[in-house]
Amino acid sequence: QQQVKQSPQSLIVQKGGISIINCAYENTAFDYFPWYQQFPGKGPALLIAIRPDVSEKKEGRFTISFNKSAKQFSLHIMDSQPGDSATYFCAASLGNYQLIWGAGTKLIIKP
Amino acid sequence: DTAVSQTPKYLVTQMGNDKSIKCEQNLGHDTMYWYKQDSKKFLKIMFSYNNKELIINETVPNRFSPKSPDKAHLNLHINSLELGDSAVYFCASSQATHFLAGGSSSYNEQFFGPGTRLTVL
Repeated sequence: QQQVKQSPQSLIVQKGGISIINCAYENTAFDYFPWYQQFPGKGPALLIAIRPDVSEKKEGRFTISFNKSAKQFSLHIMDSQPGDSATYFCAASLGNYQLIWGAGTKLIIKP
Repeated sequence: DTAVSQTPKYLVTQMGNDKSIKCEQNLGHDTMYWYKQDSKKFLKIMFSYNNKELIINETVPNRFSPKSPDKAHLNLHINSLELGDSAVYFCASSQATHFLAGGSSSYNEQFFGPGTRLTVL
């Protein structure tokens, strides 16, 4: 019940296309859902986040869609660029301290 | 200015040795974490300290011992290193706050260090 399931494990998208990464959770007590981006050789960094009382959050080319009834949320990257190639992690928060992490998605954008 | 720093960046050592990884944050955060990232990129929380008090202690071998001399530092000491300890270890910090109306970026945002790649031979 504490898990966050992320898919796909890897994704290849053509430049200019839409990248979509999905996550699902079971614990309805989660109250914060961030996405982190990790480039090779670097630590993860917060990309965008959403609360469960909002169905969509958009920041530039990055959008989180949140479906509370289905207990699913997804990251959409519009007009994907080679610079977006990275590993993306979804997560869910249990209180103020702990994040429960998805397994990560390696995204490759082909020029 | 580096927000979360770790030393060393690379650590190569023999099985059975004892080693330490240091972490410092200059963000004024109250909470610090250690994560282990394996070769499949899976991020596993190991420990978390809040104001020098251990608050998260996941199931890790007791060969791993965190030490927080003050709230800006969280070091990781590993005894009797094993091959399976080879991984990238990340330190992170956060300032846990209540959710701010209209925004989400400050709620438990964790700031990660650059990682320490540990290789046990």
